[in-house]
Amino acid sequence: AQSVAQPEDQVNVAEGNPLTVKCTYSVSGNPYLFWYVQYPNRGLQFLLKYITGDNLVKGSYGFEAEFNKSQTSFHLKKPSALVSDSALYFCAVRDRDNYGQNFVFGPGTRLSVLP
Amino acid sequence: NAGVTQTPKFRILKIGQSMTLQCTQDMNHNYMYWYRQDPGMGLKLIYYSVGAGITDKGEVPNGYNVSRSTTEDFPLRLELAAPSQTSVYFCASSYPTLEQYFGPGTRLTVT
Repeated sequence: AQSVAQPEDQVNVAEGNPLTVKCTYSVSGNPYLFWYVQYPNRGLQFLLKYITGDNLVKGSYGFEAEFNKSQTSFHLKKPSALVSDSALYFCAVRDRDNYGQNFVFGPGTRLSVLP
Repeated sequence: NAGVTQTPKFRILKIGQSMTLQCTQDMNHNYMYWYRQDPGMGLKLIYYSVGAGITDKGEVPNGYNVSRSTTEDFPLRLELAAPSQTSVYFCASSYPTLEQYFGPGTRLTVT
């Protein structure tokens, strides 16, 4: 069975500092991995994905994530946080080798960027 | 290109009432999904569809029904509403294996 863990409910970071939001996953096959962001009273917006190839993927708004197969992790990063990055972030996984499986979302991490 | 649209945005139901949440996408995506998001929680999959005429249950299907007669539309039906169905409901669509596009959500309260 697929699962996603986001070990931190909340991450606080000062504006201008680098940020990391952690995600680990479990799938029986190879993963497709995704990050989404949710602003208050809005739907989820796609940030970036790992399908295959380069382990470092770049996405919207200056975010990037690194796929680490040995650690089964896909942490979201940004070199310099903005107050406007404050939101709820979800990691999601899908098993590439099991076509019938759907996306599984993590519980979310609330990011607060302090001015 | 409107993406994924959902109606209504808000609804209050009395216990035992029924309603249909509408979802439409204009991206010609095969896959469509219904999720619920409870306060402070992640998303739970209710139902999904891989194409017109094909639907399947997700993690929490009890108390809900869906149909998919066209590629564009994927309505979610709540029968005999219960307080446990108070939640925010999101519809999403995608091509197989690729990222999902989400609607703005429907906030439902059952009292």
